[in-house]
Amino acid sequence: DTEVTQTPKHLVMGMTNKKSLKCEQHMGHRAMYWYKQKAKKPPELMFVYSYEKLSINESVPSRFSPECPNSSLLNLHLHALQPEDSALYLCASSLTRTGSSYEQYFGPGTRLTVT
Amino acid sequence: QQPVQSPQAVILREGEDAVINCSSSKALYSVHWYRQKHGEAPIFLMILLKGGEQKGHDKISASFNEKKQQSSLYLTASQLSYSGTYFCGTSAPSGSRLTFGEGTQLTVNP
Repeated sequence: DTEVTQTPKHLVMGMTNKKSLKCEQHMGHRAMYWYKQKAKKPPELMFVYSYEKLSINESVPSRFSPECPNSSLLNLHLHALQPEDSALYLCASSLTRTGSSYEQYFGPGTRLTVT
Repeated sequence: QQPVQSPQAVILREGEDAVINCSSSKALYSVHWYRQKHGEAPIFLMILLKGGEQKGHDKISASFNEKKQQSSLYLTASQLSYSGTYFCGTSAPSGSRLTFGEGTQLTVNP
């Protein structure tokens, strides 16, 4: 099973709302990633978890709060977002993050619209 | 440091060949290639690690020239299913994060 699942598929939220994105994989991968992708642009790294610990935060605003409850799950908590945060949010996983020698498997993404 | 991809876009007829290039101004440890269709997740194609190796499967292959800090993706006898945006992702020797190029939009017409 080489699948990464993400829920919800689409999310519309107001600037005062609190919502969460969820990502799950059952491949035994120990590295998980959140990316943000704007239209016609490449995925942009936000966070990396390695063995359930946050190892990389690409200076992401605190209105985005990641959480890794266990090795299969990754959440992204959203609060007080801005319209410019509207984008496709992709989750990915890889065997480990060491040396980027391993391919990343991407989920289908959550299309987020902030109104 | 974001890698530079060229060309930005290419249009082919079915059966034609294409080359997509990815270059970096910094030393590279690995180059990853992904294809993304509109509204879908990026799909992994292949990884090349330093050592100047060439990889391939089916009619898609790639090379990595560590000295020149560049990689090329070769698509031969293109099929309609090859259409999409191709991204290269690179990582430096010291790091483990992938930085993606701006992408190359490939369209294969019948």
